[in-house]
Amino acid sequence: AQTVTQSQPEMSVQEAETVTLSCTYDTSENNYYLFWYKQPPSRQMILVIRQEAYKQQNATENRFSVNFQKAAKSFSLKISDSQLGDTAMYFCAFGVDSNYQLIWGAGTKLIIKP
Amino acid sequence: DAGVIQSPRHEVTEMGQEVTLRCKPISGHNSLFWYRQTMMRGLELLIYFNNNVPIDDSGMPEDRFSAKMPNASFSTLKIQPSEPRDSAVYFCASQSGGGKLFFGSGTQLSVL
Repeated sequence: AQTVTQSQPEMSVQEAETVTLSCTYDTSENNYYLFWYKQPPSRQMILVIRQEAYKQQNATENRFSVNFQKAAKSFSLKISDSQLGDTAMYFCAFGVDSNYQLIWGAGTKLIIKP
Repeated sequence: DAGVIQSPRHEVTEMGQEVTLRCKPISGHNSLFWYRQTMMRGLELLIYFNNNVPIDDSGMPEDRFSAKMPNASFSTLKIQPSEPRDSAVYFCASQSGGGKLFFGSGTQLSVL
């Protein structure tokens, strides 16, 4: 069975610091996608970043980047120069083209302190 | 594009009442999903439509729940009769190529 594990229920850092959220997954598929979604207190689920498994280059979106380690089945999210607006739940998710379902992690609550 | 639009944003109702949640997906997206989110169970997929056809409703909790997608721009999730344990945030999401899900702002349902 495919699973996604986020081992950090909650983290907090000072504003402007860098923080890394961890995510590991288990699959026998070779072609798949990985996602990080953010859910701020407004509750809207927002796509932060997406990685295709066949791409070796780590995806980046402004202050957000990933460290994708395919062999280790690890997909961590790094937030640089953290801002108060980054306070949110962060969910890691996994999906394959042949299956519409996304498998979701339990989430990490990130608090950015002023 | 306005994104995925859900209504209402909040719904408070009494046990036994019918509840209808509405969703307008992003134009051009062929897939639509209804999710339920609770603290205890996290994000659960209720039903998945592709090209307006329900493909997988195995996540629908029981017969009290039903969903329709009469056309490509509208879907409803109905609970009849509602129960307190149905209280949750219900999300609608539509999907573009490459698996990206775009979520609506959700409906916070409280059944008293």
